[in-house]
Amino acid sequence: EDQVTQSPEALRLQEGESSSLNCSYTVSGLRGLFWYRQDPGKGPEFLFTLYSAGEEKEKERLKATLTKKESFLHITAPKPEDSATYLCAVHPIKAAGNKLTFGGGTRVLVKP
Amino acid sequence: GAVVSQHPSWVICKSGTSVKIECRSLDFQATTMFWYRQFPKQSLMLMATSNEGSKATYEQGVEKDKFLINHASLTLSTLTVTSAHPEDSSFYICSGRGQLTDTQYFGPGTRLTVL
Repeated sequence: EDQVTQSPEALRLQEGESSSLNCSYTVSGLRGLFWYRQDPGKGPEFLFTLYSAGEEKEKERLKATLTKKESFLHITAPKPEDSATYLCAVHPIKAAGNKLTFGGGTRVLVKP
Repeated sequence: GAVVSQHPSWVICKSGTSVKIECRSLDFQATTMFWYRQFPKQSLMLMATSNEGSKATYEQGVEKDKFLINHASLTLSTLTVTSAHPEDSSFYICSGRGQLTDTQYFGPGTRLTVL
């Protein structure tokens, strides 16, 4: 069974305090791994897609990396506006209907 | 990035009535649309997948007759909650996926409250 586990569940950071979020996955074959940001009361906002181990993508203070078993979302020198829930999802090769399997999310709070 | 809209953004209805939620892809053709439900402080729960012009595929445990999904065009899908009850109160989110991409783009969500 495909599984995605995100850790930690919640993260409190001081502004400027860099940190990493983890997304561990178990799939029979990975077609793609996705990171989304979700603000309270809103739909998820697409951040990155990663397809193969060793791949890295960056956007402002965020950098996503991928290995064969996990992905990391690094937040460098975070600002209060980076506070959100970050969701990781995998698209297994054999997913019926192209469904994504989501992790539970990591709630990030950045204090000024 | 691709934009998906939902309407309404929030709705309050009486128990026993039906509510329709629209999901539109504004700048791309969504060959596949997904409907999710999200409870407070929980992750997304997939309800159903629909392809344009085809019947929706529902996840296990989701009542087909209660949550009617129509994907009549490449830019519009609707979710109708029939005979709504308080336990149907939730945050409903749709997403769209184009033909040439694996990425799902999400709408802003609809907050449904059933009194």
